[in-house]
Amino acid sequence: DGGITQSPKYLFRKEGQNVTLSCEQNLNHDAMYWYRQDPGQGLRLIYYSQIVNDFQKGDIAEGYSVSREKKESFPLTVTSAQKNPTAFYLCASCGTANTGELFFGEGSRLTVL
Amino acid sequence: GENVEQHPSTLSVQEGDSAVIKCTYSDSASNYFPWYKQELGKRPQLIIDIRSNVGEKKDQRIAVTLNKTAKHFSLHITETQPEDSAVYFCAAPGGQAGTALIFGKGTTLSVSS
Repeated sequence: DGGITQSPKYLFRKEGQNVTLSCEQNLNHDAMYWYRQDPGQGLRLIYYSQIVNDFQKGDIAEGYSVSREKKESFPLTVTSAQKNPTAFYLCASCGTANTGELFFGEGSRLTVL
Repeated sequence: GENVEQHPSTLSVQEGDSAVIKCTYSDSASNYFPWYKQELGKRPQLIIDIRSNVGEKKDQRIAVTLNKTAKHFSLHITETQPEDSAVYFCAAPGGQAGTALIFGKGTTLSVSS
């Protein structure tokens, strides 16, 4: 069953801790993206990657980091430097960079206690 | 970089009425304009898209129009049904060389029966 999988679905973190959100796809897509969704703010771009071992900052990259060591995987680390990390995080992939359909994962909800 | 503005933020209609959501973009080089629908608790999904070489595209009850001169595009839903109730997002290419989608803030559509 092809698709894009995010884990965990829910995550709680104490202030000052880093946390890594997983994103895996078996669609053989080259491009992968991370968005943050807050009420009334739409989907804001955090990081994206068009190819293995390469990625670019989006509009709100501060306090986040990513890696793209494998085509299938694009994990996002929310660092302690992110001032307001409580949010819903969506990962997406696309077969043709930005001119084709984005396939989204089910999302990960991070709550900082 | 690309800036996408979306209006209105909320829209309430009676079943059977039409609904129109409008977006403007800033980068005149943008050439691909998708619309995504996110039902409550679910992931965003592509419902229709349009490329800059056409002015209108229809798919059953939904249509998208594009005015490149004015840099705006609109989603039209006719004969609305309760299952059309969702958040709708428009998007346009942004990021490095237009390889990431920049989304509007979303429109919450409520269709009452």
